[in-house]
Amino acid sequence: GDSVTQMEGPVTLSEEAFLTINCTYTATGYPSLFWYVQYPGEGLQLLLKATKADDKGSNKGFEATYRKETTSFHLEKGSVQVSDSAVYFCALSRDTGNQFYFGTGTSLTVIP
Amino acid sequence: NAGVTQTPKFQVLKTGQSMTLQCAQDMNHEYMSWYRQDPGMGLRLIHYSVGAGITDQGEVPNGYNVSRSTTEDFPLRLLSAAPSQTSVYFCATGWGGGNTIYFGEGSWLTVV
Repeated sequence: GDSVTQMEGPVTLSEEAFLTINCTYTATGYPSLFWYVQYPGEGLQLLLKATKADDKGSNKGFEATYRKETTSFHLEKGSVQVSDSAVYFCALSRDTGNQFYFGTGTSLTVIP
Repeated sequence: NAGVTQTPKFQVLKTGQSMTLQCAQDMNHEYMSWYRQDPGMGLRLIHYSVGAGITDQGEVPNGYNVSRSTTEDFPLRLLSAAPSQTSVYFCATGWGGGNTIYFGEGSWLTVV
């Protein structure tokens, strides 16, 4: 079945460091891929998405590229800020279904 | 524009009690769903609906009941609460077909 695997945390970085959070997926067909972010005490918010192979999603300095050959959708940011501290979830969905499949989440803490 | 509204935000129940978590959306979304979030397990789908009068089970439906009588509302009922149902519950809505889903702020439920 469909599934998402993302790197376990927690991740702690200094401000202005480079961030990578790995995400790989298993799915039949051509899923859409998402990154959601959850700030403390809040619901999940869409960060970025990509709907087909080689698409790059980007938002707020974060980027992720849909790599079908490696079934990956790694999240990157060149220079993290304290305000980026949150839990990040990778997810997939398929246009033929109505379910989303989420990874277990990666907690990021950025220290000044 | 309220988006997705969940009530209550916090609730403590005794084992065996029943209660209903409310979810309302004002975006005219066809798709509505309930997830539970537990440490180390990410988000797991409980039930979902693709329109008024249509509901289906997700990954972890046991102990929960849903109905969809209107487009706007999708209540989640706990029939006889158990400590294993202590969790954070999120309602999420969207257009379906793999498109982006939008989350409420969550309901923290403790069963003692």
